[in-house]
Amino acid sequence: AQSVTQLDSHVSVSEGTPVLLRCNYSSSYSPSLFWYVQHPNKGLQLLLKYTSAATLVKGINGFEAEFKKSETSFHLTKPSAHMSDAAEYFCVVGDSGYALNFGKGTSLLVTP
Amino acid sequence: GAVVSQHPSRVICKSGTSVKIECRSLDFQATTMFWYRQFPKKSLMLMATSNEGSKATYEQGVEKDKFLINHASLTLSTLTVTSAHPEDSSFYICSASSPGTSASYEQYFGPGTRLTVT
Repeated sequence: AQSVTQLDSHVSVSEGTPVLLRCNYSSSYSPSLFWYVQHPNKGLQLLLKYTSAATLVKGINGFEAEFKKSETSFHLTKPSAHMSDAAEYFCVVGDSGYALNFGKGTSLLVTP
Repeated sequence: GAVVSQHPSRVICKSGTSVKIECRSLDFQATTMFWYRQFPKKSLMLMATSNEGSKATYEQGVEKDKFLINHASLTLSTLTVTSAHPEDSSFYICSASSPGTSASYEQYFGPGTRLTVT
């Protein structure tokens, strides 16, 4: 089975500073990777996805992620954090049967 | 487009009773629907995958007789928690994919249903 590991359960940044949320994947073939965001009491929203096209993937709200095969990583970044970015972020990998395997999540806190 | 709804958004039931949760794709035909469970401060755990007109495929450790899944139409899947107990209290989330998107793993998620069993 394909899996992802989110290296930080909590990340805290100041507003206006860069965001880095780390994710490593384990896959026996070229993976499909995603980042989802979940705001409190809201549904999951797709931020971006990698499906073997460009290794640098741009998503919504200024987020981007880079697929690095040599490092088996798919870290999520944003140049400047906003207060509204505070949420739970999930790194996700596609698995057999078109199912998705979620990482344990990283809680992003943005301080003024 | 690609909106998935869930009903109810919150439900409280007594221990021993059954509760049904609906998942609907509002503007597309969902050939495959997925049911996830999310514990507080935890990740989403895939419970089962259902294809329209077929029996659901359950993940290891998920009791199929307790969590009954029906996917009778291309726009509706239901999850029935039978003989609910307090440990079944959780946030249940469904997602759906269409024939054109399933191969790219693109799933559209519902807003979730908060189940509390007293």
